[in-house]
Formats: sequence, C-alpha cells, structure tokens
Amino acid sequence: SQTIHQWPATLVQPVGSPLSLECTVEGTSNPNLYWYRQAAGRGLQLLFYSVGIGQISSEVPQNLSASRPQDRQFILSSKKLLLSDSGFYLCAWSSWGEKLFFGSGTQLSVL
Amino acid sequence: GNSVTQMEGPVTLSEEAFLTINCTYTATGYPSLFWYVQYPGEGLQLLLKATKADDKGSNKGFEATYRKETTSFHLEKGSVQVSDSAVYFCALSNEASGSARQLTFGSGTQLTVLP
Repeated sequence: SQTIHQWPATLVQPVGSPLSLECTVEGTSNPNLYWYRQAAGRGLQLLFYSVGIGQISSEVPQNLSASRPQDRQFILSSKKLLLSDSGFYLCAWSSWGEKLFFGSGTQLSVL
Repeated sequence: GNSVTQMEGPVTLSEEAFLTINCTYTATGYPSLFWYVQYPGEGLQLLLKATKADDKGSNKGFEATYRKETTSFHLEKGSVQVSDSAVYFCALSNEASGSARQLTFGSGTQLTVLP
C-alpha cells in the first residue's frame, strides 16, 4: 500500500533562517506531488506541484522553493524565512485524477 | 475563478447530536465536489465526493448532496460521535481537468464532539 511521510511535525525557526521540509512517498511510482499551505483562518493554498523529477510548477509567487531530486521525494525550502511563512504545510500525492493523499503536516512557526 | 466558502468554526456538539457544516461554492462549468477530513495528528483524507448535480456522496454516516441550484454541498451526519472530532474541508475541482492540481479548498471547520 502507498504511504506518505512528512517531517518534522512541528518546527520553530527564527526570521531569516533557512528552511527544509521533506516529504517522501512509498508504494507508488511517478506520483504527482504537491505542497500546500494553510495560513491561520484560510483555506489550503497550493504552493507547488510536480509531475516528475526536476519538474516543478509554482502556483503563487513567494519566498519558498521546491525541488524533486528523486521520483518519490519532494522538498520545500527557503533561504531566509519571513514571519509570513508561518503556517501549516501539507505534502500530498496523487495518481492521475482528483484524489489526493496527504501527509500529516508540518506546523511552522517563524518567530 | 473558483472559490469555496465554509461555515466558520469551531463547532462543538454533544455526542449523538445532528451535524451540519455548510459549504457553498463558485465555479465555472460543472465541478466535482469533495469533503476531506483531517483527524488529529493525521493527514487529510477523502471523506466523500459527488461529481454531478443531485448526486449524494456518503461515507461513515456522513452525507452531502450536490445542489447546483443553490451551489451548495453541505455536510451532514445524523448522530455524531466523539471520534468524529476533526477538521473538515470542503473542496471542488473542475470536472474537465480531472487533475488534483485544480482542487480548491475551503478554510476548514473544526468540529469537537463532547461525550
């Protein structure tokens, strides 16, 4: 069966520090991968999606970047965090179609 | 563009109470509609879906009917349990795309069920 791992579960970082969140998927090949963010009181916002290794599409301009160095690995990064980067980040995968499978999320607090 | 509006939470109910979480949407064409649920410490998971007008999605005692005339997809359950405590997200996807990339989520509604 397929599983998705996302870590860490919580993270507190100072403003200006770098960020690296990692997500891996097991039990499937060539998944579509996604990074979502939920800011307080707002809906889930799609940040990045990837249909293959090295193929990244950004949905909104921001202080973050994403990379897909391996088929089932998706990394969310920032060189210098801003206060506005605080939020709940979710990694997800899908096959072709609408159903998403989510990781358990990372609560990021930038202080 | 597409948008989803959910009733604001948090919602607190006693066990065996009736639950309604309102969801309305704005979309072009004929979207598919979804309810996702996030239990504490877990990722979101699909609860139910409906792909065309008047369809009723159901799962685990939850139901939602796709109402095109009122652009709504309200989530209901006749008798909630403590284990239903979670965050519920309404979402839509344009039918034509068939891609999860097109999913638009609401802001989520926190439900707490007390024993």
